[in-house]
Amino acid sequence: KNQVEQSPQSLIILEGKNCTLQCNYTVSPFSNLRWYKQDTGRGPVSLTIMTFSENTKSNGRYTATLDADTKQSSLHITASQLSDSASYICVVSVGTGFQKLVFGTGTRLLVSP
Amino acid sequence: DADVTQTPRNRITKTGKRIMLECSQTKGHDRMYWYRQDPGLGLRLIYYSFDVKDINKGEISDGYSVSRQAQAKFSLSLESAIPNQTALYFCATSDSGTPANYGYTFGSGTRLTVV
Repeated sequence: KNQVEQSPQSLIILEGKNCTLQCNYTVSPFSNLRWYKQDTGRGPVSLTIMTFSENTKSNGRYTATLDADTKQSSLHITASQLSDSASYICVVSVGTGFQKLVFGTGTRLLVSP
Repeated sequence: DADVTQTPRNRITKTGKRIMLECSQTKGHDRMYWYRQDPGLGLRLIYYSFDVKDINKGEISDGYSVSRQAQAKFSLSLESAIPNQTALYFCATSDSGTPANYGYTFGSGTRLTVV
């Protein structure tokens, strides 16, 4: 069964601090891995997309890593801001042709002043 | 204006009622999707459409139907709403003409409550 698991479920950090969110997946065949940010009451917005051959991808203060051997990914947020408070969802694309998206349940991040 | 617009944003309806959720997009994408999000669960695919004449069931299509009225419009219907269809519903689009590593664009969601 294709699965994406994220940890922690929730996290509180002080503004300006760094944090790392984890994603473990069990899917086959793997196509790519995406991180999305979802603000409360809004739709998910793409942060990064990585294929099998990529092990790091950055988008401003967001840096995602991918270890295809261990089937793990992380999202590192540097110098957090209050606006980073959101849910972060790890999504893995499965298959060739039409790629099914398998969504994790997300990590809810709260950045406190 | 938003690239993917969903209406209504919020809706409360009674059990047994028919309800339609609408989605329109200005992205020019050919592929459109309907997902639902429940607390503690990842988004799950209800239906997807690759073009106006192509409709496909997702993993949780029972109790739902869709209509692709035009390339830019994709509506989701609940023929007879039941309480366990209470959820946050998202429409999304993607472009088959772009590389596979391009992202999806999601709407802002419709919060549906069935009482």
